[in-house]
Amino acid sequence: ELKVEQNPLFLSMQEGKNYTIYCNYSTTSDRLYWYRQDPGKSLESLFVLLSNGAVKQEGRLMASLDTKARLSTLHITAAVHDLSATYFCAVDSNSGNTPLVFGKGTRLSVIA
Amino acid sequence: DGGITQSPKYLFRKEGQNVTLSCEQNLNHDAMYWYRQDPGQGLRLIYYSQIVNDFQKGDIAEGYSVSREKKESFPLTVTSAQKNPTAFYLCASSIALPREQYFGPGTRLTVT
Repeated sequence: ELKVEQNPLFLSMQEGKNYTIYCNYSTTSDRLYWYRQDPGKSLESLFVLLSNGAVKQEGRLMASLDTKARLSTLHITAAVHDLSATYFCAVDSNSGNTPLVFGKGTRLSVIA
Repeated sequence: DGGITQSPKYLFRKEGQNVTLSCEQNLNHDAMYWYRQDPGQGLRLIYYSQIVNDFQKGDIAEGYSVSREKKESFPLTVTSAQKNPTAFYLCASSIALPREQYFGPGTRLTVT
């Protein structure tokens, strides 16, 4: 059974600092998705990573996938307040007949 | 515009009443999903459907029921058997089962 673990679950960081959120998963997969959720809102898609070594960047966020290590990272560069949100990773189990498995989410708070 | 709609945005019910949450998509997606989210928590899968007239239980199906009579529609009924129904309910769809999910805006249900 696929398990997805995110850490940290809570992150408070100062504006201007860099930090990385980690998403580890337990079985082979080469498809991983990152979502963002603002307080009281739904989830929106951030990144789609579909192969080993995939790297995607959007503004101050960069996501990467290492399928051999079963690890994805979401790197935040020079954080700004607008990045405060909860970030979820979701992993495709490669089984073809089960839904994505979501991590518990990382609640990020960027403070001045 | 293609997307997923959920209605209503807010729903208030008395304990002991059944209530149905609507989810419609015009993305021509085969798979649809229902999640429950409690405050400060992650997503929990209630039900999912790969194709019309077929659906499977997720992790917390007790006290809920669904139907999938049309490709674009996947309503969720919260029955009186659900002990703690107050939560934020999210509907999602994807082109196929383990692929990227797109989320609706959510319905916030309060039962008193």
